[in-house]
Amino acid sequence: GENVEQHPSTLSVQEGDSAVIKCTYSDSASNYFPWYKQELGKGPQLIIDIRSNVGEKKDQRIAVTLNKTAKHFSLHITETQPEDSAVYFCAASEDSGYALNFGKGTSLLVTP
Amino acid sequence: DVKVTQSSRYLVKRTGEKVFLECVQDMDHENMFWYRQDPGLGLRLIYFSYDVKMKEKGDIPEGYSVSREKKERFSLILESASTNQTSMYLCASSPGLFYTFGSGTRLTVV
Repeated sequence: GENVEQHPSTLSVQEGDSAVIKCTYSDSASNYFPWYKQELGKGPQLIIDIRSNVGEKKDQRIAVTLNKTAKHFSLHITETQPEDSAVYFCAASEDSGYALNFGKGTSLLVTP
Repeated sequence: DVKVTQSSRYLVKRTGEKVFLECVQDMDHENMFWYRQDPGLGLRLIYFSYDVKMKEKGDIPEGYSVSREKKERFSLILESASTNQTSMYLCASSPGLFYTFGSGTRLTVV
């Protein structure tokens, strides 16, 4: 089955700096890669996703890049703000699949 | 907005009890999922269902069962709760791969 590795497990940045979280996956058939943000006391929420037919996708301060050859994808957050502090999960799956395979999560802390 | 509602936010149960965790979604999604979340282990899939009365084992189904008698409701059952099932349990629903999660049930087994 699919195995998704996520690094780092914790990340601390100063407000205004950029944050990068990296994930690798094992199954070359995977073609859908979402990122979820989990704030304290809440369930994870989808923040951005990418499919294998594109290499990069941006939405305001967040972007995701995908390298299918190397089987890795990354989340980039620019101009970080304290409200970006949360746990972030990457995931991978085949488009035709039912269930997402999640990484172990990255706890991001943005300090003012 | 899609809502996924988990019936309890916090539960404390005794070892050996039969425990029911309930999840209801209001958007007619075919797929529903149960995950458990533990520090350092991320989200691990317990069971999922892609249709009424259908169920599939996830990565860690041992000690759990599920029931889906109606499309909107997916129940997770701990047949005989044990302390190693103390965890945060997250339910999700989706029409495909776009998940909506509930807020979670923090279960403590004593």
